[in-house]
Amino acid sequence: AQSVSQHNHHVILSEAASLELGCNYSYGGTVNLFWYVQYPGQHLQLLLKYFSGDPLVKGIKGFEAEFIKSKFSFNLRKPSVQWSDTAEYFCAVKVDTNAGKSTFGDGTTLTVKP
Amino acid sequence: DTGVSQDPRHKITKRGQNVTFRCDPISEHNRLYWYRQTLGQGPEFLTYFQNEAQLEKSRLLSDRFSAERPKGSFSTLEIQRTEQGDSAMYLCASSTGQSTNEKLFFGSGTQLSVL
Repeated sequence: AQSVSQHNHHVILSEAASLELGCNYSYGGTVNLFWYVQYPGQHLQLLLKYFSGDPLVKGIKGFEAEFIKSKFSFNLRKPSVQWSDTAEYFCAVKVDTNAGKSTFGDGTTLTVKP
Repeated sequence: DTGVSQDPRHKITKRGQNVTFRCDPISEHNRLYWYRQTLGQGPEFLTYFQNEAQLEKSRLLSDRFSAERPKGSFSTLEIQRTEQGDSAMYLCASSTGQSTNEKLFFGSGTQLSVL
């Protein structure tokens, strides 16, 4: 069965610092990849997704992620974080386009200090 | 788009009692999912529906758990004979089911506490 590993449980940054959150998955076939975000007091929402094509995908609020197939990775990046980026970030993988199930990592809590 | 709504937001019950949660998906979405989340972990897949058909159920889901989506709209998740280990946030999500552009829309969840 597929699994998702997020390396950092808690990241603390100052505003304007650059961000990279790691995500690795275990599955040898075609995958769809997602990053979801949960802001304090809000529900989970999609940040960005990769289905096919350009491995560098851009999402909302200046976030981007790069799919590196050889490394089974889909790391999330942002050049300059803001206090409002404080949230929990979840990486997810779906191994069959037509299947429903997405498998989530355990999340990374990002705290941005003003 | 009124969003995915879940009811109740919080449920406190005693061990051994039955509980039922409701999820109303976004109206045009034909897929509906149930996930469970505990502190420090990501959402864990429980089951999903395509319209009224339950297409997949996690092997982790014991026989005490049952879900229905009788008319392909709202869904209910019932837990019978609750145990303390059932305490978690139960999340519902819906999607259009379009394979090339699917994304999950989550509700705010039902927080279950089993005493």
